[in-house]
Amino acid sequence: AQTVTQSQPEMSVQEAETVTLSCTYDTSENNYYLFWYKQPPSRQMILVIRQEAYKQQNATENRFSVNFQKAAKSFSLKISDSQLGDTAMYFCAFPGGSNYKLTFGKGTLLTVNP
Amino acid sequence: NAGVTQTPKFQVLKTGQSMTLQCAQDMNHNSMYWYRQDPGMGLRLIYYSASEGTTDKGEVPNGYNVSRLNKREFSLRLESAAPSQTSVYFCASSAQGSTEAFFGQGTRLTVV
Repeated sequence: AQTVTQSQPEMSVQEAETVTLSCTYDTSENNYYLFWYKQPPSRQMILVIRQEAYKQQNATENRFSVNFQKAAKSFSLKISDSQLGDTAMYFCAFPGGSNYKLTFGKGTLLTVNP
Repeated sequence: NAGVTQTPKFQVLKTGQSMTLQCAQDMNHNSMYWYRQDPGMGLRLIYYSASEGTTDKGEVPNGYNVSRLNKREFSLRLESAAPSQTSVYFCASSAQGSTEAFFGQGTRLTVV
């Protein structure tokens, strides 16, 4: 079975600073995707960024980037120039198995302070 | 483009009552999912349907049933609601071979 671990239940950062959220996972598969989802107070689940395991290059989406370490099974999310609107719960997710069902970590609540 | 639509958005039930949560997607996705979200637990998979006509149990299926009515619709039924089923429920869908999931807006269910 796949597992996803987020070891930081809560984090805070000052506006304009950089913060890194950590995620580790366990799988025996070789080709897969990894995702970070954001859940603001509105409750909507929003895809922030995805990484394909066979790609060496780390994914980047504007202020969001990942540090993907396949051998270590680590997938951290870096948010640069943090904004107040980044305040949300962040979930790491991994789709595993033949039916690609998503397994989520327990989430990290990020608060951006003015 | 509606994406994934869940109804209702809020519901209060008494213990022992039954209800069905509805979910429909208009993206022609093969796979659909039901998750529940509880504080400190992340999202846990209740049931999923890899394609029309198939359903499988997820991590926490007890107390729930599902129906994949057609390719668009995937419903979740609580036959006899219990306070432990108080949660936020999310429906999601994804295209086969593509693992990005699209989520509905969630249903906040309270069982008293």
